[in-house]
Amino acid sequence: NAGVTQTPKFQVLKTGQSMTLQCAQDMNHNSMYWYRQDPGMGLRLIYYSASEGTTDKGEVPNGYNVSRLNKREFSLRLESAAPSQTSVYFCASRRDLNTEAFFGQGTRLTVV
Amino acid sequence: EDKVVQSPLSLVVHEGDTVTLNCSYEVTNFRSLLWYKQEKKAPTFLFMLTSSGIEKKSGRLSSILDKKELFSILNITATQTGDSAIYLCATITNSGYALNFGKGTSLLVTP
Repeated sequence: NAGVTQTPKFQVLKTGQSMTLQCAQDMNHNSMYWYRQDPGMGLRLIYYSASEGTTDKGEVPNGYNVSRLNKREFSLRLESAAPSQTSVYFCASRRDLNTEAFFGQGTRLTVV
Repeated sequence: EDKVVQSPLSLVVHEGDTVTLNCSYEVTNFRSLLWYKQEKKAPTFLFMLTSSGIEKKSGRLSSILDKKELFSILNITATQTGDSAIYLCATITNSGYALNFGKGTSLLVTP
């Protein structure tokens, strides 16, 4: 019973490099989310997907793109990484408006 | 703009103390408020509150929502060192799918 799985767990990038963070859920949830967490800032929403085939911007979308590949998978791409994107990234999923969100274990990304 | 404000931002208590964490909100078309506990890694779900005045309880933790005054509290009685964590509050609206989080309260319980 995996829940929400994120890969990789840790990553170091050089400024300007690109990478994709992967997220998959096995709970047949409709909505999926990408958050970033910085010290003292709580969780800030980057992008979300309310259902398969749709994506929408959150509070801090600049510098990121997403793909809802299918109902299970929601990826986050950094096209040209910047030091300001150093953060812990969490993927989450939720069945519907009446239920809680479940979180993955996070990806710690450092951009040097 | 929707706001979720948690207080205090950090708190240090001794084992056995009772703590109250606060979460106030200004949210358009409010639906529910959620509490999460975050230790080393992923936030884990504690409570979802939708109706005003109905207490949710799980062991030493309890929470209540006041929709008139727009706040919720999370109480932890007889605290233990294992309660040390960041406690996050989030709101859900009827018109959107996202959870909007506050900045969290960092709780440290000392032996």
